[in-house]
Amino acid sequence: EAEVAQSPRYKITEKSQAVAFWCDPISGHATLYWYRQILGQGPELLVQFQDESVVDDSQLPKDRFSAERLKGVDSTLKIQPAELGDSAMYLCASSLGGAARETQYFGPGTRLLVL
Amino acid sequence: AQKVTQAQTEISVVEKEDVTLDCVYETRDTTYYLFWYKQPPSGELVFLIRRNSFDEQNEISGRYSWNFQKSTSSFNFTITASQVVDSAVYFCALSQDTGRRALTFGSGTRLQVQP
Repeated sequence: EAEVAQSPRYKITEKSQAVAFWCDPISGHATLYWYRQILGQGPELLVQFQDESVVDDSQLPKDRFSAERLKGVDSTLKIQPAELGDSAMYLCASSLGGAARETQYFGPGTRLLVL
Repeated sequence: AQKVTQAQTEISVVEKEDVTLDCVYETRDTTYYLFWYKQPPSGELVFLIRRNSFDEQNEISGRYSWNFQKSTSSFNFTITASQVVDSAVYFCALSQDTGRRALTFGSGTRLQVQP
């Protein structure tokens, strides 16, 4: 069964350090999403890619966060410098073409703790 | 803008009881899609069901059933004869054809099923 892969599963870092998360979507899925889930809340979209292009990054804190999907397959989300408030679960999801009717499939997430 | 409200923060039941999780949504679109996801302690979001705005038929899948009512903007989820394995956080989510197509999630309902 095809799955969305993410690594690392857990990351502990100190504030002001740089961190990076990796996501490999289901093969053939053109659309990739990064969500952030703060403890006790629902996930919120950070960035959406269609192939290698960003289609929505309106909620991405661009002063410290960056995301790329250079070849339209896997993706990296980076935070530099990390702040205490960045402690959260970072979830990656993918869907076939990006239409609203399509189901998004999620990876296991990366739990980030910033000390 | 779209919004999803899950007013029940936490529900605790005893095994074999029936339980209903409430979801109320807001959207200006006439075409939209509603989803339920399950998040077990491992953290991965597991897709349960998708419903489009033109299909108000209720659906049953084993012990799970969903009641979609456009008149009250609700999409409630019922688990019949709950089991300990049903313990998780359940999220209702919405996507729409115009504007942002990513999912808008509610804040989730934590279900604890006691043996």
